[in-house]
Amino acid sequence: KAGVTQTPRYLIKTRGQQVTLSCSPISGHRSVSWYQQTPGQGLQFLFEYFSETQRNKGNFPGRFSGRQFSNSRSEMNVSTLELGDSALYLCASSLTSAETQYFGPGTRLLVL
Amino acid sequence: AQSVAQPEDQVNVAEGNPLTVKCTYSVSGNPYLFWYVQYPNRGLQFLLKYITGDNLVKGSYGFEAEFNKSQTSFHLKKPSALVSDSALYFCAVRDFNSGYALNFGKGTSLLVTP
Repeated sequence: KAGVTQTPRYLIKTRGQQVTLSCSPISGHRSVSWYQQTPGQGLQFLFEYFSETQRNKGNFPGRFSGRQFSNSRSEMNVSTLELGDSALYLCASSLTSAETQYFGPGTRLLVL
Repeated sequence: AQSVAQPEDQVNVAEGNPLTVKCTYSVSGNPYLFWYVQYPNRGLQFLLKYITGDNLVKGSYGFEAEFNKSQTSFHLKKPSALVSDSALYFCAVRDFNSGYALNFGKGTSLLVTP
């Protein structure tokens, strides 16, 4: 089976812009979670989607949003980018919310 | 809140020697614990998990972890380290206060020297 794929792999944006990241889960997986990884804060949970519904959200401002489509693919959007949003954004999928999460390679976002 | 701590930022070990990467947890109730590894410019790879059952859990690439309830620890071990094991290792606990989200430790950088 193909693993979790994320596009794009690298992205450069400027402050104030918005960005959309995409995640395709492992075939058959219905839960998708997003994490932000930075050197200072480490790995932090953003949100989780299951069957097109957001189940949980981490402690991030409303500029961070996401959605899940009927084929379980997910997107996350960050509006009004700030320098501090520069990070590696990781997507993880699992069969259900309770199962083991498998991660994609991540999208590295640089905000200038 | 459910949390884990990795007390060592870096662990150095010679190839062929046993390795241990430490993790302690703080949870209410029964912990669901995980180990992941991250190679440079890559995502996280799942190594193993403890949900219930035997305290010694075997995982991928020859890694194993020992769950110790009295010491609230979940240390990752390997009998004989390889240079290719050099990577960043993360311990994580499932945070049921946030649904099924994973709370990660800060990570431990493992360096295996030839």
